[in-house]
Amino acid sequence: AQSVTQLGSHVSVSEGALVLLRCNYSSSVPPYLFWYVQYPNQGLQLLLKYTTGATLVKGINGFEAEFKKSETSFHLTKPSAHMSDAAEYFCAVSGSGKLIFGQGTTLQVKP
Amino acid sequence: DSGVTQTPKHLITATGQRVTLRCSPRSGDLSVYWYQQSLDQGLQFLIQYYNGEERAKGNILERFSAQQFPDLHSELNLSSLELGDSALYFCASSQLQGARNTGELFFGEGSRLTVL
Repeated sequence: AQSVTQLGSHVSVSEGALVLLRCNYSSSVPPYLFWYVQYPNQGLQLLLKYTTGATLVKGINGFEAEFKKSETSFHLTKPSAHMSDAAEYFCAVSGSGKLIFGQGTTLQVKP
Repeated sequence: DSGVTQTPKHLITATGQRVTLRCSPRSGDLSVYWYQQSLDQGLQFLIQYYNGEERAKGNILERFSAQQFPDLHSELNLSSLELGDSALYFCASSQLQGARNTGELFFGEGSRLTVL
């Protein structure tokens, strides 16, 4: 069975600082991995996805993630945080006919 | 705008009552998923339909049921409501229905249910 674990329920960074949100996955088969963002009072929006091919995946709003099979990780990064990045971020793995989500990480961006 | 429409956006009801949440998927998407989001449980998968047939089932209570109609819209029925059913219920749709690769899910804005 597939699962994901997000390390850290809350992350706080200063505006302009590096954003690093951690996600580790467990999967018995090569995984399909996703990062979603949820802004207050909104649904989830896809940031980026990894299926096959290039392990460094670029998404919207300057985010990217790298699939590392040896570390079973799919961490999300952004070089420079913006106030508008404050939101909840979810890592997910596709399996058993559904997306399985992590518990989410709330990103706070301080001015 | 994801193209997924959910109604109602907000719903307040009493314990023991029954409610129906409605979802219209994106044009062309055959798969519909229902998720429940609460502070203590996070995002929990409830059930998936593909072209009218149930394809995957998650942590859905027996008091809850769902269906997908020929026009592909879906309804989630919640009955004998309890305080703990208060949550945000999301519908999502996708083009794929593979057991391993669901493809990208497009989410609606959710229906917030409050049970008093």
